Amino acid sequence: EVQLLESGGGWVQPGGSLRLSCAVSGFTFSSYAMSWVRQAPGKGLEWVSAIGGGGGNTYYTDSVKGRFTISRDNSKNTLYLQMNSLRAEDTAVYYCNRYSGGYGDMDVWGQGTTVTVSS
Amino acid sequence: DIVMTQSPLSLPVTPGEPASISCRSSQSLLHSNGYNYLNWFLQKPGQSPQLLIYLGSNRASGVPERFSGSGSGTDFTLKISRVEAEDVGVYYCMQVLQTPFTFGPGTKVDFK
Repeated sequence: EVQLLESGGGWVQPGGSLRLSCAVSGFTFSSYAMSWVRQAPGKGLEWVSAIGGGGGNTYYTDSVKGRFTISRDNSKNTLYLQMNSLRAEDTAVYYCNRYSGGYGDMDVWGQGTTVTVSS
Repeated sequence: DIVMTQSPLSLPVTPGEPASISCRSSQSLLHSNGYNYLNWFLQKPGQSPQLLIYLGSNRASGVPERFSGSGSGTDFTLKISRVEAEDVGVYYCMQVLQTPFTFGPGTKVDFK
């Protein structure tokens, strides 16, 4: 069974850091690009970042460029999102998903992990 | 950035009746390979989003046939032939032609 399991969320003060993880199973991790999408409380979905299967290509939405870093360890079947200089507006549920670049589909999603940035 | 809009933002439906949601993009989503890089997702209450349609008109694995996607370029439509109870939630379109990928604001579907 294909599964994505996020972890690492929590409460952090503005300016702080968190690292999210997404552990995957049930498919060949290195064959797929991966993506992070977030959802602020009561709001819609916002794409955050994506990374190619080999880890060499990374992409970010403008609001997180220079603060967030996406990475992956294909030997551990794990996707990461390092979040630095966190702001109140980064408060959200963060979802990882499997992304097929050729077809553009994000067909498998994790259950999400909650990040709260507040003083 | 490509801006996505949806209409309506709220859609009261009657079980067994059809429903339709429109999605428009500020730029064409038609790639040179002939595919439209437009996805549709449903987020049921308290759940993660689930993929319904990819490349504008392809149903994802396990998605019931009552869901269909159509359109090309900048105008797209998601249709539900007969709404069922399990279809309530928020529907999002999303362009994946170019980064930053962008979602529409969502259409909330619930029963009248």
